[in-house]
Amino acid sequence: EVQLVESGGGLVQPGGSLRLSCAASGFTVSSNYMSWVRQAPGKGLEWVSVIYSGGSTYYADSVKGRFTISRDNSKNTLYLQMNSLRAEDTAVYYCARDLYSSGYGVFGYWGQGTLVTVSS
Amino acid sequence: AIRMTQSPSSLSASTGDRVTITCRASQGISSYLAWYQQKPGKAPKLLIYAASTLQSGVPSRFSGSGSGTDFTLTISCLQSEDFATYYCQQYYSYLLTFGGGTKVEIK
Repeated sequence: EVQLVESGGGLVQPGGSLRLSCAASGFTVSSNYMSWVRQAPGKGLEWVSVIYSGGSTYYADSVKGRFTISRDNSKNTLYLQMNSLRAEDTAVYYCARDLYSSGYGVFGYWGQGTLVTVSS
Repeated sequence: AIRMTQSPSSLSASTGDRVTITCRASQGISSYLAWYQQKPGKAPKLLIYAASTLQSGVPSRFSGSGSGTDFTLTISCLQSEDFATYYCQQYYSYLLTFGGGTKVEIK
């Protein structure tokens, strides 16, 4: 059974940093397209970043240059390093796996989310 | 980035009603469109992909159609468990984007 468990959220001051983790089970992170999707309080969904099975990474313009997606194959875990955080980065961050291991762009599996609050 | 526009942003309906939600892309995306359902406090759930392919386990009262720039999600006979927010998402571009969402509320 595919499971995704996010952790690492919390309260951080503007300009600060935070690293989110997504521990996966039931499949191999490095063999799949993995993304982070966020949702600001009371707002819609926003795709943040993806890492392909081959290692290529892409980012939404709103986070490019500030966020870095990565994975640890030995721990079967996905990460999101978030630097220079802003109030508008406040959101629930979801880890999501592509529907197909070959990569498709559709989010077939989701974690429960972790809340990041950027505030002084 | 490709912009996805959903309409309406919210609607009120009764159990048993037929509901249609529209999603428009700012440029042609072929059939690279997915629909998700999200309930309060929960992660989104995939309903439909490739514009009209029903995800495994999703009730057949959900259907999707369209290609190019205009797409629809239809719920043929609204059930109590269908009251939720629905999002479209394009995956034509590697820069993935969602629509703003449509909240389906009880009339």
